[in-house]
Amino acid sequence: QKEVEQNSGPLSVPEGAIASLNCTYSDRVSQSFFWYRQYSGKSPELIMSIYSNGDKEDGRFTAQLNKASQYVSLLIRDSQPSDSATYLCAVRAANDYKLSFGAGTTVTVRA
Amino acid sequence: AAGVIQSPRHLIKEKRETATLKCYPIPRHDTVYWYQQGPGQDPQFLISFYEKMQSDKGSIPDRFSAQQFSDYHSELNMSSLELGDSALYFCASSWTGANTEAFFGQGTRLTVV
Repeated sequence: QKEVEQNSGPLSVPEGAIASLNCTYSDRVSQSFFWYRQYSGKSPELIMSIYSNGDKEDGRFTAQLNKASQYVSLLIRDSQPSDSATYLCAVRAANDYKLSFGAGTTVTVRA
Repeated sequence: AAGVIQSPRHLIKEKRETATLKCYPIPRHDTVYWYQQGPGQDPQFLISFYEKMQSDKGSIPDRFSAQQFSDYHSELNMSSLELGDSALYFCASSWTGANTEAFFGQGTRLTVV
């Protein structure tokens, strides 16, 4: 079983809708949580980081973290065609020198 | 702002040849990570360095080696290349510490023929 699991895709949403992405992790000492966006053939681009329980909002993106449930999510509001990409959840444990990635969820925003 | 720089961007090698990939981290970042990403796969952690010392090791083949130099740039050396080594290779850098973000370079696309 992977350390980081993401909801299987692909996820197709109409333009203007909310896209909801989920991620669970198995290592309870995980401390830092990230969402990366990756376009095909390009490098992962950091869009959100979250370190404490609760919500964190940045523009149209909201990350939610629940350490007790070992769950982190990403909401994309007012989805745009340019949001069509693969979203990678990444987790880093305390005193760890690596990011563990989920398999990614591919999002397609229909115009 | 300066980003992570990788070179070369594209590389074509024949089987059994060697390849060297370079990574220049964001200035003042002290940790470098290397990842391999095959088609349709998530990034697989290879190895990381903190302050020029190997800090963590993942699924890096014995044919690969890496190091971080005094100026913090890192090189991934790949020998006896196999067709299965064809992939995107990403380098990322960060400060060390609990709540720090890692940023990725644009990657090197290695094709082994």
